[in-house]
Amino acid sequence: ETGVTQSPTHLIKTRGQQVTLRCSSQSGHNTVSWYQQALGQGPQFIFQYYREEENGRGNFPPRFSGLQFPNYSSELNVNALELDDSALYLCASSLEAGPQETQYFGPGTRLLVL
Amino acid sequence: GQNIDQPTEMTATEGAIVQINCTYQTSGFNGLFWYQQHAGEAPTFLSYNVLDGLEEKGRFSSFLSRSKGYSYLLLKELQMKDSASYLCAVTGSNYQLIWGAGTKLIIKP
Repeated sequence: ETGVTQSPTHLIKTRGQQVTLRCSSQSGHNTVSWYQQALGQGPQFIFQYYREEENGRGNFPPRFSGLQFPNYSSELNVNALELDDSALYLCASSLEAGPQETQYFGPGTRLLVL
Repeated sequence: GQNIDQPTEMTATEGAIVQINCTYQTSGFNGLFWYQQHAGEAPTFLSYNVLDGLEEKGRFSSFLSRSKGYSYLLLKELQMKDSASYLCAVTGSNYQLIWGAGTKLIIKP
């Protein structure tokens, strides 16, 4: 158990809809990263938030957006859902935003877009 | 481009030793992580290497050669619970983690 929680655990949406996924960081961690993991693949970096500011973004379109709140919990929002958005969405928290920081993952949200 | 290569799948016997290799080509290098991921679960941290050499942690060891862009994870005294995917990830120049596709390790009795 890493102390990182995510909700919901599973979600089914249809193309064009919007979705919000939530993540609660491990206590004391000020950095959250979001990843998309397709079946049989490694995680793909979406973006990172450090102290409520975006601190880096991967190769994802603007319809993927996020927020980090003062308590360091976080949201991932995806607009105009596409079939290819079906994946496991993982959030990971770390103590700080440095390159050596270990990231602790939540259990993930499995999203299915029909 | 940035690339991390790992074997797709490996099979080993309970009680034996297995070495999982990872080669990388990234713009910048700020460390290499190994994570374990059981099917349907989140990745869990195993090791971090930023300097050349071997880091030992119980039954698991991880090795890094920065000049060769190469790392391996060594698992000793294999147990059935070690059946999982093992993910290699490199922190690049922009401090973002770049992940390999993972190596699925199958342990047979």
